[in-house]
Formats: sequence, C-alpha cells, structure tokens
Amino acid sequence: AQSVAQPEDQVNVAEGNPLTVKCTYSVSGNPYLFWYVQYPNRGLQFLLKYITGDNLVKGSYGFEAEFNKSQTSFHLKKPSALVSDSALYFCAVRDIANSNSGYALNFGKGTSLLVTP
Amino acid sequence: AAGVIQSPRHLIKEKRETATLKCYPIPRHDTVYWYQQGPGQDPQFLISFYEKMQSDKGSIPDRFSAQQFSDYHSELNMSSLELGDSALYFCASSLNLAGLSTDTQYFGPGTRLTVL
Repeated sequence: AQSVAQPEDQVNVAEGNPLTVKCTYSVSGNPYLFWYVQYPNRGLQFLLKYITGDNLVKGSYGFEAEFNKSQTSFHLKKPSALVSDSALYFCAVRDIANSNSGYALNFGKGTSLLVTP
Repeated sequence: AAGVIQSPRHLIKEKRETATLKCYPIPRHDTVYWYQQGPGQDPQFLISFYEKMQSDKGSIPDRFSAQQFSDYHSELNMSSLELGDSALYFCASSLNLAGLSTDTQYFGPGTRLTVL
C-alpha cells in the first residue's frame, strides 16, 4: 500500500524566514504526490502535485516542493513565510492499488505550521 | 471558478438516527470521493464513484452507503448513527477522461456531523 509520513506534528517559523514541511513516502511503483492545506473549519485546498517531470514543483501561494527519489521525500517549501500561511498541511499519495478510476488519496497525519510575526 | 458544494454544512443527529449528506462536484467532473476526518485526524477515504459506478471502497462502515446520480451529484447515507461517527465529512471531485486521470482532487468545505 502507498503511504506518506509527516515526521513533524508542528513547525514554527518566524515571518519572513524560509519554511519547510517534511514528507516522506513509501510506494510501489511511481509515486503521485500531493500537498493540501487546511485552514480551521475549512476544506482541504490543493497546493501542488508531483506526477512526473521536473523534481521541483511550483504551486499556489508561493509554495513549492522538491521530489527526491533517492531520499523518498517530497518536502514542501516556501522562501519567505507569511503569518497567513499558518494552517494544517497534509501530504498525500495516490493509492494505485486498484486499477479502476477514482484513486483514493492516503494522507499523512498533518503538520501544523505556525508563523509568528 | 465553481467549487465542490456540500450540504448541509452542519448537521446534528441523535444516536441511531439516519443522515444524508449531499455533494455537488465541480461541473464536468465525473468522479466523486468521500472522506471522513475525525477530530485531530487526517482524512480517511470512504468510497468513490466514477461515471455513477462505485470505483473504489475504503474504510466505509456497512451502516453507510453512497451513490452517484445521473447529474453526477453524490449522496452519502448514514444509518444507525453512533457517537464515533461525529466527524467532518469531505467530498472531493476530479476529472477522469477515459482513464486519463488528472489526479487532482478538489475538496468541498465539508459537512460537520455531530452525533449526540
């Protein structure tokens, strides 16, 4: 089965500093990896995904993620954090166990990002 | 741009009651997914439908059922509700053109179900 792990429950960073939210994956075959953000009492918002191609993926709100096959990682990054980036971040991998369409996502446990002024 | 619509946004039920959650996917999206997110938990996949047929099944209890209708909206029916069913229920949609999946699932705002 496909899975992702987010080793940090919480990440604290000062506004203006770079941020990294870590994610490692375990898959059989090629991974399809995603990052979503969840604000309090809100739905999950898609940030970016890696399917194939360039290892550096750029997404919404200035976020980017680097796919590293040798380290089986897909860390989320942003060069300069904003207070408004404070939210819950989920890494996810598409479960390709089934051959049908409608591939479920397996989510990590989430990382709470707190950006302080 | 149009997003995934879920109704109701909040629902309060008593134990052993039934509940129906509705999901309206993004226009032209043909695949719908249901996820359950317990307090402080990550979303757990329940079930999905592609072109009105069940395409994948996750950790959905036997007390729950779902379907996708001809207009592509989906309903999650929950019976004999238990306290542990209290959670945020998300619907997501994606576009899968004859197996060429765009992969990206777009989530609705969720329905918060509270079972008393």
